[in-house]
Amino acid sequence: ETGVTQSPTHLIKTRGQQVTLRCSSQSGHNTVSWYQQALGQGPQFIFQYYREEENGRGNFPPRFSGLQFPNYSSELNVNALELDDSALYLCASSLQGAFGYTFGSGTRLTVV
Amino acid sequence: AQSVAQPEDQVNVAEGNPLTVKCTYSVSGNPYLFWYVQYPNRGLQFLLKYITGDNLVKGSYGFEAEFNKSQTSFHLKKPSALVSDSALYFCAVRDDDHGSGNTGKLIFGQGTTLQVKP
Repeated sequence: ETGVTQSPTHLIKTRGQQVTLRCSSQSGHNTVSWYQQALGQGPQFIFQYYREEENGRGNFPPRFSGLQFPNYSSELNVNALELDDSALYLCASSLQGAFGYTFGSGTRLTVV
Repeated sequence: AQSVAQPEDQVNVAEGNPLTVKCTYSVSGNPYLFWYVQYPNRGLQFLLKYITGDNLVKGSYGFEAEFNKSQTSFHLKKPSALVSDSALYFCAVRDDDHGSGNTGKLIFGQGTTLQVKP
């Protein structure tokens, strides 16, 4: 059973640029959720993808968008990067309706 | 809206002593509660969860948590702390938005840093 894999592990971008983060879900899981963890804070829910569609969204602007692919992997895209977007981005996979969540190790994004 | 609170930013204990990391919750409906641990520059590792049943939940690495409905608390405990338990601990509650059909959004507390000294 493979866990959740996120890439890249670290990323530095310039304000105004766009970034894509990737997540491979755990075998047997069909749902992917993305979280943003700013320094010294708890993770904040960005959105969830199920059946290749957005299935719930937190309080994040439209420049945060995502995709889910037929193999259940997912991408998080952030346009027009701002300094406050600097954070650890966590992906969690799960089986819709179940109670088990497996988190990846995260992508550390730094916006300069 | 569902929420959890972790009233302590940091907890300090000596190795071998019992530890408690506190969490209180506010939910409408049944509470589904979780504890995760995070080591520096790492993701979240699952420790335990309460869905239903016995109020004392046993989890990974010798941790346990007690669900108390009357006090709306879900404190994390361990009988004998290890230096390697030093990390950041998060309590979380699941929030199901039945309006959108979303099930499984986790709402996290701010985290509690556990420092275990030799």
